[in-house]
Amino acid sequence: LAKTTQPISMDSYEGQEVNITCSHNNIATNDYITWYQQFPSQGPRFIIQGYKTKVTNEVASLFIPADRKSSTLSLPRVSLSDTAVYYCLVGDTRGSTLGRLYFGRGTQLTVWP
Amino acid sequence: SQTIHQWPATLVQPVGSPLSLECTVEGTSNPNLYWYRQAAGRGLQLLFYSVGIGQISSEVPQNLSASRPQDRQFILSSKKLLLSDSGFYLCAWSRTISGSMNEQFFGPGTRLTVL
Repeated sequence: LAKTTQPISMDSYEGQEVNITCSHNNIATNDYITWYQQFPSQGPRFIIQGYKTKVTNEVASLFIPADRKSSTLSLPRVSLSDTAVYYCLVGDTRGSTLGRLYFGRGTQLTVWP
Repeated sequence: SQTIHQWPATLVQPVGSPLSLECTVEGTSNPNLYWYRQAAGRGLQLLFYSVGIGQISSEVPQNLSASRPQDRQFILSSKKLLLSDSGFYLCAWSRTISGSMNEQFFGPGTRLTVL
C-alpha cells in the first residue's frame, strides 16, 4: 500500500476555503485516493474518492494531478463544524489488500470564528 | 438501510482482566469486517479484518484476538488486558465489491480504559 504524507495540523477561519494536500509518491496504477473525516469520539466518515483529475460532491472537491503523486482535498467555505481530523488513504480492494485501509495520523483542521 | 452497532460504549477494566467487545451489522450480508484501535493522540491502527465467517486476519501481533461466529457479528477479545490496550476501539464494515477502494462504515466505538 502506498504511504501517504499530510500536514499534522492546519488552521482556518470560518468562510474560507481550505486545501489539504497529501503526497503519495508510490501510488500504484490500481490505487484510488480516498479521504475520511473524523470528529472526536466518533468513527471516521467517508468524504470523497477519486482516481484522477477532479471529483466533486456536495461536501468537497478532490484534485488529482496527472502524475497522481499527490492529491488535494478542498473544503469550500468551512464552518466551525468542519473542525476534525482528515485522513488521506491510498489503496485498492483488488488483489492482496482486500479492502484494508491504513490510516495515518491525519490532518487536524481547526476552524476559528 | 445498513447500521452497525458496538457495545459497550465505554468500559473500564483492571489490568489482567479479560475483554470482549461486540460488533454487529444489520441490513447487509457477507460484509468485510474490521477492528481498529485509536490510542490517545494517534491515528487508527488496523487490528483485524475478516472476509467471511471464521476467516480472521491479524495485522498486528498482540494479546488481542478476534472471532466472527456469524456473518454479521465480529468480536474482539483478550484473555488478559494490558495498560497499553487502552484506547478507542472501532468496528467497521464494507461491501465485498471489487473495483475501487470500498467505503468503510464505522460504528460508534468503544472507549476502553485499562487501570
